[in-house]
Amino acid sequence: GDSVTQMEGPVTLSEEAFLTINCTYTATGYPSLFWYVQYPGEGLQLLLKATKADDKGSNKGFEATYRKETTSFHLEKGSVQVSDSAVYFCALTGGGYQKVTFGTGTKLQVIP
Amino acid sequence: SAVISQKPSRDICQRGTSLTIQCQVDSQVTMMFWYRQQPGQSLTLIATANQGSEATYESGFVIDKFPISRPNLTFSTLTVSNMSPEDSSIYLCSVRAGSYNEQFFGPGTRLTVL
Repeated sequence: GDSVTQMEGPVTLSEEAFLTINCTYTATGYPSLFWYVQYPGEGLQLLLKATKADDKGSNKGFEATYRKETTSFHLEKGSVQVSDSAVYFCALTGGGYQKVTFGTGTKLQVIP
Repeated sequence: SAVISQKPSRDICQRGTSLTIQCQVDSQVTMMFWYRQQPGQSLTLIATANQGSEATYESGFVIDKFPISRPNLTFSTLTVSNMSPEDSSIYLCSVRAGSYNEQFFGPGTRLTVL
């Protein structure tokens, strides 16, 4: 079945540091890929998405590129802020009404 | 996109009681999903709820423990029955919407069972 593997956290960075959170997947066919963010005490919000190979999703300074050859969708941000402290989930779906498969989440803590 | 609200936002309950969580969406959707997120964990799908039919439960979840109603295309309830401390979790309502069937989530209901 489909699966998503994320780097384990927590990740602790200083403000303005470069962020990479690794995500790899296994899936049949051509899944759509997503990053969700969960701020403390809140539900999940869709951060960005990519629906086909080589697509780059971007939002709020975060980016991720759909790499089919390496089955990866790593999340990056050039300069993190304290307000980016949250848990980040990588996810995929085969489309239509197929289930969404989530990674285990990576907690990011940004310190001033 | 879809805007989802849940009630209650949090509750503290006694062992053996039941709690019903409500989920309201601002648009009509075919499928609604209920997830559980245990402390420090990822999301686990409990069931998928279609309007006018019985919910479909994932392995490890049963209707007697988590009865679901779906009376119309914008509303659903999840009941956590005969609660035990192991049921302490965040319960999230979710729908699919948008051009690529993105998944949208409600703010969650934080349940603590004593």
